[in-house]
Amino acid sequence: DVKVTQSSRYLVKRTGEKVFLECVQDMDHENMFWYRQDPGLGLRLIYFSYDVKMKEKGDIPEGYSVSREKKERFSLILESASTNQTSMYLCASIKGVEPSNEQFFGPGTRLTVL
Amino acid sequence: AQSVTQLGSHVSVSEGALVLLRCNYSSSVPPYLFWYVQYPNQGLQLLLKYTTGATLVKGINGFEAEFKKSETSFHLTKPSAHMSDAAEYFCAVTVTYGQNFVFGPGTRLSVLP
Repeated sequence: DVKVTQSSRYLVKRTGEKVFLECVQDMDHENMFWYRQDPGLGLRLIYFSYDVKMKEKGDIPEGYSVSREKKERFSLILESASTNQTSMYLCASIKGVEPSNEQFFGPGTRLTVL
Repeated sequence: AQSVTQLGSHVSVSEGALVLLRCNYSSSVPPYLFWYVQYPNQGLQLLLKYTTGATLVKGINGFEAEFKKSETSFHLTKPSAHMSDAAEYFCAVTVTYGQNFVFGPGTRLSVLP
């Protein structure tokens, strides 16, 4: 059974803290994505990566960075967490370059910044 | 750039009734269209997708959707709602992978006994 896992389901942090969200996929997928999900806004793309050590900005990259040192792992970093980054964060992966391919999602991390 | 709208942020139906969730898209090139479902406290999973060919697409759990190019629509239907269908549903469009994968705002489906 294919799987995308995220390191935490729930996370509570304080303003100004550095936050790491980890995502691991076991499907040998080249492409990985980080989204944030907010009510009424759907999913918005933060960053994506199409290969190890490669990254591309999505629609809302401000306040975030990413790291992809290994093919299976894609990390999202909040350098200095702020309350407006309280959200649900979803990781996804997809195989190859065909636009019709399915994205596989992790269960999400609900982050609260106090 | 692509965009997706979903009419109705919340839809309620009675168990056994028809489910209709609306999705309209805009794209300057032929799109690939997806419906994803998100059950409470879970990630998204694919219900069905349209790539090319037959415009009526069947998915899991009895759902289907029809691609209508003239109406730029990809509405999701199910003939008879079940309590287990209560979830949030997202329509998405892409023409290439990556930043062009655009999601709609979602529709929360409630199923009443």
